[in-house]
Amino acid sequence: DADVTQTPRNRITKTGKRIMLECSQTKGHDRMYWYRQDPGLGLRLIYYSFDVKDINKGEISDGYSVSRQAQAKFSLSLESAIPNQTALYFCATSGDGQVLSHNEQFFGPGTRLTVL
Amino acid sequence: KQEVTQIPAALSVPEGENLVLNCSFTDSAIYNLQWFRQDPGKGLTSLLLIQSSQREQTSGRLNASLDKSSGRSTLYIAASQPGDSATYLCAVRPMSGGSNYKLTFGKGTLLTVNP
Repeated sequence: DADVTQTPRNRITKTGKRIMLECSQTKGHDRMYWYRQDPGLGLRLIYYSFDVKDINKGEISDGYSVSRQAQAKFSLSLESAIPNQTALYFCATSGDGQVLSHNEQFFGPGTRLTVL
Repeated sequence: KQEVTQIPAALSVPEGENLVLNCSFTDSAIYNLQWFRQDPGKGLTSLLLIQSSQREQTSGRLNASLDKSSGRSTLYIAASQPGDSATYLCAVRPMSGGSNYKLTFGKGTLLTVNP
């Protein structure tokens, strides 16, 4: 079984709809991240969470919100979707960084979101 | 602001060839550098992680080097195979400060290995 899973894998929605993307991990990591990937722009960080009570904005958080329901679950919401939020969305996890081997980030398979 | 550049943007080689992918970064104060592989429409698979104190890491046919002072890393792929075809991304993590968690990604090199 995959260590980092994302649901749904594909979603088509209309402008103005509320959308939630979910991420679950079985790696036991404290840190979780949401990125979006756009052609020609690379990956950009939306939000990150270092534990259940610690949530922080990334470089492109406008139009998004997140919820860390448990150590293993981190969801991303688009309150009112717009076409320029069409992108590939990735969840990632990493350890707490106190051990060198925990620095590596592990990514989920991605959610392809299309906003019409 | 850290910037990561990957050259070339695309590379096509015949099967069996050895090849090198390049990654450069503008701020040498990094904690580590990570190489990823991404298949079309798929997630990122971590290939190698090099700590700032290391010069290289090896995994099978892959060898990644790091020259922090010059802001460069290379990913060497030996005896390339069609299954190596994918986009290869490098990402750097800053040394310290409030953004220590944050990875800065390059835009990737699209590798095609022709049978």
